[in-house]
Amino acid sequence: GESVGLHLPTLSVQEGDNSIINCAYSNSASDYFIWYKQESGKGPQFIIDIRSNMDKRQGQRVTVLLNKTVKHLSLQIAATQPGDSAVYFCAEIVTGGGSQGNLIFGKGTKLSVKP
Amino acid sequence: ETGVTQTPRHLVMGMTNKKSLKCEQHLGHNAMYWYKQSAKKPLELMFVYSLEERVENNSVPSRFSPECPNSSHLFLHLHTLQPEDSALYLCASSQARSYGYTFGSGTRLTVV
Repeated sequence: GESVGLHLPTLSVQEGDNSIINCAYSNSASDYFIWYKQESGKGPQFIIDIRSNMDKRQGQRVTVLLNKTVKHLSLQIAATQPGDSAVYFCAEIVTGGGSQGNLIFGKGTKLSVKP
Repeated sequence: ETGVTQTPRHLVMGMTNKKSLKCEQHLGHNAMYWYKQSAKKPLELMFVYSLEERVENNSVPSRFSPECPNSSHLFLHLHTLQPEDSALYLCASSQARSYGYTFGSGTRLTVV
């Protein structure tokens, strides 16, 4: 069945270092992927997205990489800051072929940034 | 603010109570969703409304009853809940079913 999972439940990095958060997905029909950040007491917040016709997309300090061959998604955060401490979720959805898919979330990775 | 507002932020209710959660979006979206977030679990999709019509109910117990009176408002009516229903309930909206979702801050529900 459809599932989105994360390799590591927690990640601790030093302030200023780069962070890499990984995600595996199992539905090869998924064609749109989103990374969300959830801070304590808040709902998930959109960070960056990527469609399946791309393998890399860059935002401000964040980069998402998509490897469709191995069904792997990663989020790279450059120069990690204390404000980046949060739980990060990847999510997938099937949008093509007239499908009315729903956004399916992984379990989340908690990122802790040490000062 | 994300443009999706949920009230109340916190709710404590007894198992025999009836309460409602409210969600309002100011983004002009036409799809709205209820998700349940429990500790150490992925977000679980509960209900989907598209153009004010319920299009999905993911095997949610009948003690949860959604209502979507218009495209900007979504309610979740609660009655005779169980302690295991304690969780963060998140509302989201999207421009269309195939677009990314914008979430509210959630209602932290505790059933005692």
